[in-house]
Amino acid sequence: ETGVTQSPTHLIKTRGQQVTLRCSSQSGHNTVSWYQQALGQGPQFIFQYYREEENGRGNFPPRFSGLQFPNYSSELNVNALELDDSALYLCASSSGRSLAKNIQYFGAGTRLSVL
Amino acid sequence: DQQVKQNSPSLSVQEGRISILNCDYTNSMFDYFLWYKKYPAEGPTFLISISSIKDKNEDGRFTVFLNKSAKHLSLHIVPSQPGDSAVYFCAASGNQFYFGTGTSLTVIP
Repeated sequence: ETGVTQSPTHLIKTRGQQVTLRCSSQSGHNTVSWYQQALGQGPQFIFQYYREEENGRGNFPPRFSGLQFPNYSSELNVNALELDDSALYLCASSSGRSLAKNIQYFGAGTRLSVL
Repeated sequence: DQQVKQNSPSLSVQEGRISILNCDYTNSMFDYFLWYKKYPAEGPTFLISISSIKDKNEDGRFTVFLNKSAKHLSLHIVPSQPGDSAVYFCAASGNQFYFGTGTSLTVIP
């Protein structure tokens, strides 16, 4: 067990709605990253937060936004949902800013379905 | 734009034999390469990594080889065990983090 928990595990929304996904980091970790994994694909990097500030972003539009709280838990918000947003959303926490040099511990993910 | 590619979606190997999983990348600026393993209904788990300044890293049954001139890395599992059956993702670190599409490994008892 990694200690990274995500909620909810499954979610169904309709196109145009907004969604908030939550992640509780492993104890002692100050960095969180979010990934989108579409069916049959590898995870795609959305963004990273380090000590409550965005520290890197992948090729995702601004309607994907996030927050990291003082206790290092995190939220991913997606506005104006599109059908292509249907995917598994993974959160990972680590103990430092470098995603390569610090092991990322992943949660089991939130499965989002947009109808 | 797929910067990290795993061209074999699946691989089957007999227990006790070697499993070789391959990965190709396009960006010569990547400085770290990693392998993750994923079981169903779980998040990916870190397996092994290698810096771009090295060409081999070994950890128990797992060895990663890096060929920078070919922009190719591979993961060798020796001997393969049924518990190794999972999806394996290679990943590369540059200005952001890139995962491949995964290879599903089945180790047959």
